[in-house]
Amino acid sequence: QQQVKQSPQSLIVQKGGIPIINCAYENTAFDYFPWYQQFPGKGPALLIAIRPDVSEKKEGRFTISFNKSAKQFSLHIMDSQPGDSATYFCAASRGETSGSRLTFGEGTQLTVNP
Amino acid sequence: NAGVMQNPRHLVRRRGQEARLRCSPMKGHSHVYWYRQLPEEGLKFMVYLQKENIIDESGMPKERFSAEFPKEGPSILRIQQVVRGDSAAYFCASSPQILDFPEKLFFGSGTQLSVL
Repeated sequence: QQQVKQSPQSLIVQKGGIPIINCAYENTAFDYFPWYQQFPGKGPALLIAIRPDVSEKKEGRFTISFNKSAKQFSLHIMDSQPGDSATYFCAASRGETSGSRLTFGEGTQLTVNP
Repeated sequence: NAGVMQNPRHLVRRRGQEARLRCSPMKGHSHVYWYRQLPEEGLKFMVYLQKENIIDESGMPKERFSAEFPKEGPSILRIQQVVRGDSAAYFCASSPQILDFPEKLFFGSGTQLSVL
């Protein structure tokens, strides 16, 4: 019940394309859903996060769509750039320890070709 | 304003040796978290510490692994008698005293442990 399933494992798009990465969770107690971006040799960096009281959140070119009934959420990257090439992780946590014990998805390796 | 500092960046150990990984949290942060990332996998929670206290160690293997965050100095993740399966990237994160906003959680660049 603590798992977060992420797909696809890898994704290749052309510059300007809109990659979409999907995650599904089982634990309905989760109440915080962040996305992290990780470059090789670096730690994950928070990209954008959402709580289940909203269905969508947008920050710059990054958008999270959240479907509470389906227990799914996704990351959309508008007008993708080669500099967006990285590994993306979805995650989830719950309750008063939100953010302190994150359950991560398996990651998506995104490549944006020039 | 330095971020979360981890050292060493790379650590090579032979089977049976001990590995010590260090994490200095961001200035003003008193909570530390350790995560492990195996190749081709996401990060897995290991332990959550405050100064001189272990708050949640539910992700720590029962044997050979220990963690501490003393009153003075960095947090230490210690792995005794390392085995090849311990080879992974170990990430530390820190947050302010009260994690009311999860957005205040910041990760270090990790320590890559290789066990020969």
